[in-house]
Amino acid sequence: GAVVSQHPSRVICKSGTSVKIECRSLDFQATTMFWYRQFPKQSLMLMATSNEGSKATYEQGVEKDKFLINHASLTLSTLTVTSAHPEDSSFYICSAYGTESYGYTFGSGTRLTVV
Amino acid sequence: QKEVEQDPGPLSVPEGAIVSLNCTYSNSAFQYFMWYRQYSRKGPELLMYTYSSGNKEDGRFTAQVDKSSKYISLFIRDSQPSDSATYLCAMSPIKAAGNKLTFGGGTRVLVKP
Repeated sequence: GAVVSQHPSRVICKSGTSVKIECRSLDFQATTMFWYRQFPKQSLMLMATSNEGSKATYEQGVEKDKFLINHASLTLSTLTVTSAHPEDSSFYICSAYGTESYGYTFGSGTRLTVV
Repeated sequence: QKEVEQDPGPLSVPEGAIVSLNCTYSNSAFQYFMWYRQYSRKGPELLMYTYSSGNKEDGRFTAQVDKSSKYISLFIRDSQPSDSATYLCAMSPIKAAGNKLTFGGGTRVLVKP
């Protein structure tokens, strides 16, 4: 089946630094990538949608200059959290849509802790 | 009012029991319905996908959609401790790249040995 590889699974960074999270579709072409944020015991909150080669579309209230999304190829999308602060600590999950199957395959998530 | 409502639980059942989960929704345009399972600190895993109304069975899992009532269900037969997880319903109006899913809040399930 479709597999999305997300790295790193866990990262701790200092306040003020930037962190990059990668999502790769391993066996299909991801025409669209979705980035979510999830707080403990809560559902997924969509942050942004990106199509290959296009600028990402951000949900209301999400700072696009803080959460930089790049979708340069059909198999790779990245989320960079810039100038991270403790309130950015969260679980970030990507989801890739591919046309080969129904299509919404999730990565395994990245737990970001900003200290 | 949220577009998709789901009881957060926790739902605690003994091993071997049937787990019954459901979601209600308000947007009549939804046609594609999915159930995801999420273990702690992991990404969601697709369990079932149904289109429009009707039933779908896959092993121990049965998904039902009643569009007239705007109500979907997931049943897990012969539940196992490994079924302990959070179950998320998700839905969308069309099947197309770039179309985002609308999620329920998730129901936490605990299957006791």
